Amino acid sequence: GAVVSQHPSRVICKSGTSVKIECRSLDFQATTMFWYRQFPKQSLMLMATSNEGSKATYEQGVEKDKFLINHASLTLSTLTVTSAHPEDSSFYICSASRTSGRWNEQFFGPGTRLTVL
Amino acid sequence: GENVEQHPSTLSVQEGDSAVIKCTYSDSASNYFPWYKQELGKRPQLIIDIRSNVGEKKDQRIAVTLNKTAKHFSLHITETQPEDSAVYFCAAAFQGGKLIFGQGTELSVKP
Repeated sequence: GAVVSQHPSRVICKSGTSVKIECRSLDFQATTMFWYRQFPKQSLMLMATSNEGSKATYEQGVEKDKFLINHASLTLSTLTVTSAHPEDSSFYICSASRTSGRWNEQFFGPGTRLTVL
Repeated sequence: GENVEQHPSTLSVQEGDSAVIKCTYSDSASNYFPWYKQELGKRPQLIIDIRSNVGEKKDQRIAVTLNKTAKHFSLHITETQPEDSAVYFCAAAFQGGKLIFGQGTELSVKP
């Protein structure tokens, strides 16, 4: 149990376009989902925390109008990178924590490699 | 602020030797400390975690120790094998359950 999927796994887009990434918890309900960004040879940087049915909480320095997060249900959160530019090229990873069970344990999706040309 | 410091950034050991990675965290209220192994292009894989009500936890060749007073925790890998080579991240849970990650340690185990 505790499987998290992401779609797409890879995306290449032109500068100025918007890209949507989906994160799903397949076999559990996720009260909270998290979005991270990871540049090559760097750590995972938390972008935002999203709770089902409420607005996401963004980390300092993350533009909420550029990175739109929607957590519409207990199994789905989406991250939309609006007007993407080459500097947004990165590995985006989501994670989810369960409504029950061990508190704070997060389950990670496989990540989405975004390349902006 | 919310901060996790991890050292060293790179670590090279001979097969069979032990490896130790250390982390410190900023918030004394943090109570959950996971360690992840990440291979290139893959998701982080939880290898062991510890909660603040214990000082040490062991799982076969891997152990984690926690010193809450010093706000310090460490990963110990014994009898290292080439397949242990990867990037390892520590993390600490902060308010709201969010995880803040350390900078990562690239471990290389030489046969």
